[in-house]
Amino acid sequence: QQQVKQSPQSLIVQKGGISIINCAYENTAFDYFPWYQQFPGKGPALLIAIRPDVSEKKEGRFTISFNKSAKQFSLHIMDSQPGDSATYFCAASMSGGDDKIIFGKGTRLHILP
Amino acid sequence: KAGVTQTPRYLIKTRGQQVTLSCSPISGHRSVSWYQQTPGQGLQFLFEYFSETQRNKGNFPGRFSGRQFSNSRSEMNVSTLELGDSALYLCASSTTSGVDTQYFGPGTRLTVL
Repeated sequence: QQQVKQSPQSLIVQKGGISIINCAYENTAFDYFPWYQQFPGKGPALLIAIRPDVSEKKEGRFTISFNKSAKQFSLHIMDSQPGDSATYFCAASMSGGDDKIIFGKGTRLHILP
Repeated sequence: KAGVTQTPRYLIKTRGQQVTLSCSPISGHRSVSWYQQTPGQGLQFLFEYFSETQRNKGNFPGRFSGRQFSNSRSEMNVSTLELGDSALYLCASSTTSGVDTQYFGPGTRLTVL
C-alpha cells in the first residue's frame, strides 16, 4: 500500500516532442506528489509538485496532471529538449507518515537531437 | 548560498567494516534527511533529523544510524557492512521538517567489496 509505481522505465522522445511519464499510488493518505529530475553524478532536484486539491499544475514546459479518483499522476514535458535527458522520479508523501517519502523506480528519458 | 555538501564523494570498504558519511546542509536549514539509492530498489528513505532529534525513520536495519549536531551537520553510520550496502547515499536538507522544500546533495558513492 506504500508503493508508487512508475512507468515507463525508459523513454526515447524526439526533440520538440512531448514526454509523458506516469505514476500510480495506492495509499489515499498521500497528500504531496513531487517530481524530481536527476542528472548523472548529481542528486535529485525538485522539478514540480502538486497537492491533491488541484488536478493540474504547470510550470514552464513541465505539467503535472493529477487524477485523484484513479490514484494516478503524470508528468508531461512539452517541447522536449536534449537538455531534458535525465532520470525522472515521481514520489508521494503524507504529512506525519513514518516512511516520509516514497519514490517511484525512475524513468530514464533520452531526447534525440 | 552554497548547496548541500557531502563527504567523501566516493568510498570503498570491505565487508564487516563500518563507515561514516557526512552531510553539511544549506546554511539555515535545520532538517537533514538521508536516502539510499540503488539500481534495484531505487531511492529509499533512511531517516530524518531535525534540531538534533530523529523525526522519522525508514525501514532499514539497526546497522544504519545517524545523528545531527547543533550546527545541523549530520552524519550517518553503517556498521558491519554487507555487499548489499553498496549504493549512492544522498543527503537532503530543508528549512523545516518537510519534503516539499528539500534540496539534495550530490551523494556519497559507497562500494562494499
